[in-house]
Amino acid sequence: DGGITQSPKYLFRKEGQNVTLSCEQNLNHDAMYWYRQDPGQGLRLIYYSQIVNDFQKGDIAEGYSVSREKKESFPLTVTSAQKNPTAFYLCASGRQDSSYEQYFGPGTRLTVT
Amino acid sequence: KNQVEQSPQSLIILEGKNCTLQCNYTVSPFSNLRWYKQDTGRGPVSLTIMTFSENTKSNGRYTATLDADTKQSSLHITASQLSDSASYICVVSPFGGGATNKLIFGTGTLLAVQP
Repeated sequence: DGGITQSPKYLFRKEGQNVTLSCEQNLNHDAMYWYRQDPGQGLRLIYYSQIVNDFQKGDIAEGYSVSREKKESFPLTVTSAQKNPTAFYLCASGRQDSSYEQYFGPGTRLTVT
Repeated sequence: KNQVEQSPQSLIILEGKNCTLQCNYTVSPFSNLRWYKQDTGRGPVSLTIMTFSENTKSNGRYTATLDADTKQSSLHITASQLSDSASYICVVSPFGGGATNKLIFGTGTLLAVQP
């Protein structure tokens, strides 16, 4: 898990409520990423940020929002507009060198009922 | 369409045995190919990373090979241990992805090592 923390590990919400997932890194990485993992599917990119105060949509951004006010933090909000929010959410961070290696956090399992 | 396909979907082996996991990709050109290990309910952890010019990379009992001509990679696990039980994910980074680094993930092979 390196220096990336995600909290909480398990999160339960009622349908129609927004919920924010936390991601913090102390690796001094410029880039941060949010992925969603569903059974039988590869990780899918939700949002990514290469620098503070800037972020871009990934492949499945609808129903999600992010902010990047600090280098260390990249919180993800799952809004009520996300039709199927129940999933395992992974945050990652990475350097901007040629390896573009990404280091993943431990994940947050969100269950919406 | 850039895709990464892994086989088998799942595999059961006895402790101490060897196994090989396969990864076929259509991403071209690509910058590097990685194998990750993901324990249940945890984040993926990098095992190996190979550039397009490398043929093999080892990390302890894990050895990854790459054939850029056939667009295939394999992950060989030697003398398996119970702690090797996990999902193994093949990930390809398209060339020119740059800092956006939009990786292409396979769906993984779920390995169960039994005593």
